[in-house]
Amino acid sequence: KAGVTQTPRYLIKTRGQQVTLSCSPISGHRSVSWYQQTPGQGLQFLFEYFSETQRNKGNFPGRFSGRQFSNSRSEMNVSTLELGDSALYLCASSLWTTGSGNTIYFGEGSWLTVV
Amino acid sequence: QKEVEQNSGPLSVPEGAIASLNCTYSDRGSQSFFWYRQYSGKSPELIMFIYSNGDKEDGRFTAQLNKASQYVSLLIRDSQPSDSATYLCAVSKGAQKLVFGQGTRLTINP
Repeated sequence: KAGVTQTPRYLIKTRGQQVTLSCSPISGHRSVSWYQQTPGQGLQFLFEYFSETQRNKGNFPGRFSGRQFSNSRSEMNVSTLELGDSALYLCASSLWTTGSGNTIYFGEGSWLTVV
Repeated sequence: QKEVEQNSGPLSVPEGAIASLNCTYSDRGSQSFFWYRQYSGKSPELIMFIYSNGDKEDGRFTAQLNKASQYVSLLIRDSQPSDSATYLCAVSKGAQKLVFGQGTRLTINP
């Protein structure tokens, strides 16, 4: 069974540009979430999607956005990139939306460097 | 006070010994707790989750939860050099929202 797949794995962008990252969840998983990981702030929740609807959003500026498609695949977009957006962006998927034991699995991540 | 706190380490343990990793959380209403392992340059890998008070064992790993003390721990028995990684404690705040601690860097010395 394939895991969570993220593309691209590595990318370099210039300040002011925008970037789109893609995520394919584990087959059968309908919940997708995104996280940002930096050395200073650690792992932080960005947003969560289920059935194409954003269910929860973290404390990030509006430059960070996302969406989910009918096949559960998801994309996140960061506009007007800043140097501080350099991070590992992780997509995660799970089977359910509620309940204890809702195990969440991470993809390998997209390494974004902003120069 | 951070919502999830871990000792950042590094924690150094001899091979074959028990490694004990600790985590405290501030929200008394928290229900589900997760331990992830992250190797350098890699993504977090789920080790265990626990949501009932007490112990949960899976192979060499045991998770312990004490909701009254707002404390969750991970024990690794018979530690191996391959266990050297950063261990992340996470608390569920909703279906897919996890709040993570800063992680504890564990080194197993041969």
